[in-house]
Amino acid sequence: EVKLEESGGGLVQPGMSVKLSCATSGFTFSDYWMEWVRQAPGKGLEWVAEIRNKANNYATYYGKSVKGRFTISRDDSKSIVYLQVNSIRSEDTGIYYCTTGFDYWGQGVMVTVSS
Amino acid sequence: DIQMTQSPSFLSASVGDRVTINCKASQNINKYLNWYQQKLGEAPKLLIYNTNNLQTGIPSRFSGSGSGTDYTLTISSLQPEDVATYFCLQHSSRWTFGGGTKLELK
Repeated sequence: EVKLEESGGGLVQPGMSVKLSCATSGFTFSDYWMEWVRQAPGKGLEWVAEIRNKANNYATYYGKSVKGRFTISRDDSKSIVYLQVNSIRSEDTGIYYCTTGFDYWGQGVMVTVSS
Repeated sequence: DIQMTQSPSFLSASVGDRVTINCKASQNINKYLNWYQQKLGEAPKLLIYNTNNLQTGIPSRFSGSGSGTDYTLTISSLQPEDVATYFCLQHSSRWTFGGGTKLELK
């Protein structure tokens, strides 16, 4: 059974940093491209970041609204994908989901940006 | 960037009804369109990929159609367990989601 479980969210002050993790199991993690998607309260889904597999040189891509502040990374030995969020803003508030190329999704982790 | 316009935003229907949800792309997406179901508090679930391919384990009452810029998700006979939010995703050029359709029972 494919499982994805996000963690690391919570209340974060504006300007600070947070690192989200997504632990996975049930599939060959190293083969897959991994994505982060977020959903602001009352809004639709927004693709945030992608990291490809070793065969694709672990290439990374970012949405326009997060480029330069977010960093996606992965640890194939642990089957975990990360999202480092720096200089966090109020508009970064929302639920963050990890997904295996949009096939399987985690339940999400809430990030609230507030002072 | 490709924009996706999903309609309706909210839908109320009775058990047994035929339900259709639409997504319109701002340009041709060549059938690179997925549909997802998300129940309250749960992870999104892939229903249909590449316009009309049913994901393994998904009931056959779900189907997808479309081409070019216009795509439709159809539930042939609504069941109580289908109450959820549905959204589309274009993956022709990067990724863009529709705004979602909240489906409830009448």
